[in-house]
Amino acid sequence: GQQLNQSPQSMFIQEGEDVSMNCTSSSIFNTWLWYKQDPGEGPVLLIALYKAGELTSNGRLTAQFGITRKDSFLNISASIPSDVGIYFCAGQTQGGSEKLVFGKGTKLTVNP
Amino acid sequence: EAGVTQFPSHSVIEKGQTVTLRCDPISGHDNLYWYRRVMGKEIKFLLHFVKESKQDESGMPNNRFLAERTGGTYSTLKVQPAELEDSGVYFCASSRILAGGQETQYFGPGTRLLVL
Repeated sequence: GQQLNQSPQSMFIQEGEDVSMNCTSSSIFNTWLWYKQDPGEGPVLLIALYKAGELTSNGRLTAQFGITRKDSFLNISASIPSDVGIYFCAGQTQGGSEKLVFGKGTKLTVNP
Repeated sequence: EAGVTQFPSHSVIEKGQTVTLRCDPISGHDNLYWYRRVMGKEIKFLLHFVKESKQDESGMPNNRFLAERTGGTYSTLKVQPAELEDSGVYFCASSRILAGGQETQYFGPGTRLLVL
């Protein structure tokens, strides 16, 4: 089946540092999404990418949709304690009204 | 606007028992999805409803799982009989069907199921 390989699995950083995580796949995806999950909550959408090569920002977050449609990265700049959580990449092969395929997640810990 | 709600938030049952999970999607959302995350692994798709119809049930593990969405509103996911490997967090998500094809799936808080 389709798989998304997400790395790193976990990160421990100091407040103020920048963070980068990525997802790769052997399959093409037409939509890439980045979600964040806080403890006891469900995943919340951070950024959605719909076109190959697209670079999108949302505050301190920046994500890119790879040209090959097989990868994406998420950067967080100047991390703060509330950035703590699990970040998931997800993809859709067709785009729209379709199941999401998820990566295994990156657990981020930010030390004040 | 209320978000996706799920009930119960936690459930602890013994192997062989039956458990029913409920999901109330955001009002007006025709798409409803069930996902599951087993500890340490990725969130995996179970099935997708469009209104009351099953659009894609390719992720359902086996016939011990039964999902319904009568009337196209809330959905239930029943596990009968439950096995140890069914433990995990069950998420529900809903979305609108948009003409442009772009979709945002909104997730509920999940039901944490532990089978002993």
